[in-house]
This record gives sequence, C-alpha cells and structure tokens, in this order.
Amino acid sequence: EVQLVESGGGLVKPGGSLRLSCAASSFIFSDAWMNWVRQAPGKGLEWVGRIKSKSDGGTTDYAAPVKGRFTISRDDSKNTLYLQMNSLKTEDTALYYCTRIVSGAFDIWGQGTMVTVSS
Amino acid sequence: DIQMTQSPSTLSASVGDRVTITCRASQSISTWLAWYQQKPGKAPKLLIYKASSLESGVPSRFSGSGSGTEFTLTISSLQPDDFATYYCQQYNSYSLLTFGGGTKVEIK
Repeated sequence: EVQLVESGGGLVKPGGSLRLSCAASSFIFSDAWMNWVRQAPGKGLEWVGRIKSKSDGGTTDYAAPVKGRFTISRDDSKNTLYLQMNSLKTEDTALYYCTRIVSGAFDIWGQGTMVTVSS
Repeated sequence: DIQMTQSPSTLSASVGDRVTITCRASQSISTWLAWYQQKPGKAPKLLIYKASSLESGVPSRFSGSGSGTEFTLTISSLQPDDFATYYCQQYNSYSLLTFGGGTKVEIK
C-alpha cells in the first residue's frame, strides 16, 4: 500500500526548533517531488514548501511565511522526507502533512503530525 | 503570488442536489488546477487534477471544468458521503502553490 507516515510533532516554545520526518513506502521515493502542507486548527490548507527529486535538481521552494526558518531535505536511501523548523512562532501551530506532488497535484497524503508552538 | 478565491464559503444542500463550487485565480493558470475533498479529522483527498481530469477511484458524479481564471467543481447528485469541505489549488507556478479558502458542504 502506498503510504506516507509523519512523525516528530509536539509542543515547543516560541523561538524553538523541531524536526518532522515522513517515511514513504510502496512507491519510488527517489523519483518523487515531495511537499509539506499544513493546516492550522479550524483553518484551511497552506502549502509550506517542496523539494524536487535529485534527478530534477533536488531544489527547494518555500512559502513566504516560512522562508528562511524552515528547511526541507530528503534521504532517498531511507525513503524519508524531513522538515527542519527553526525560530518557531505561535502562528506555526498546525497539523503538518507530508504529500507527493504529481503533475502539480497532491496525490498521496500522510495522516499528519501536530505541531503546537506555545509558551 | 497567485491568489485563489473560492465561493461560496459554505453551501447547504440536500441529498440528490446538483452542487457547484467556484474557484477564481488572480491571474491565468491555464488548466493547472486541482480539487480536494477533506472530511473532519482526515487528510485531504485528490478528486480532480488539470482542471477536469478525474483521479482514479473517484466517483463520476464529480466533475471539474474551466480554464484561465475561473473554474468549477460540480457534484451531479449529492450523496451522504459527499458532505465535506472542498479546496481548490493552483500549480501554474511551480515555485509557489496556493489553495483556495475552502467550501464547506453542509446538510440542508
């Protein structure tokens, strides 16, 4: 079964850091362009950022609210995607989803991992 | 950035109704638009990609249309399983992707 499983969420103080992981299975992870999408409690979906496959350059892009604070990386040998989040703000509180993008649409989603930023 | 505006934000309908949700882009995105369904406590599910292509396994009562700046998602005959929130998403600009604000389809 094609699957994405996020982990690493939790409670962190403003200004703190957290690293999320996303384990992929049953598809060729190394060929995939992977993304993080978040959803604040009771709110809509917000794209966080994307990393291309290494064969397509492995470059990253980020949404304006997280640029310079968040870093997306991947370990194709472990079929794992990461999101390093630094200088966290209360407005970063959200459920963070790992997703695969194909032809510009997010076709596979994980179940999400919750990040709460609070003092 | 390309802004996506969905309407209505909430829609009340009955089982069997034909339902239409609109998404407008702040600039032309050709047909680079996707639609998702999200139920409470669940991850979003891809319904439509490239404005009108039905994702595998999605019932044929769902359809999408449009190009440029105006798009619609239509549910031809609303079923009990369809009460959910729907989001559009543009990917014309691969650097920055954006979602619409969502449309909640409620039971009338």
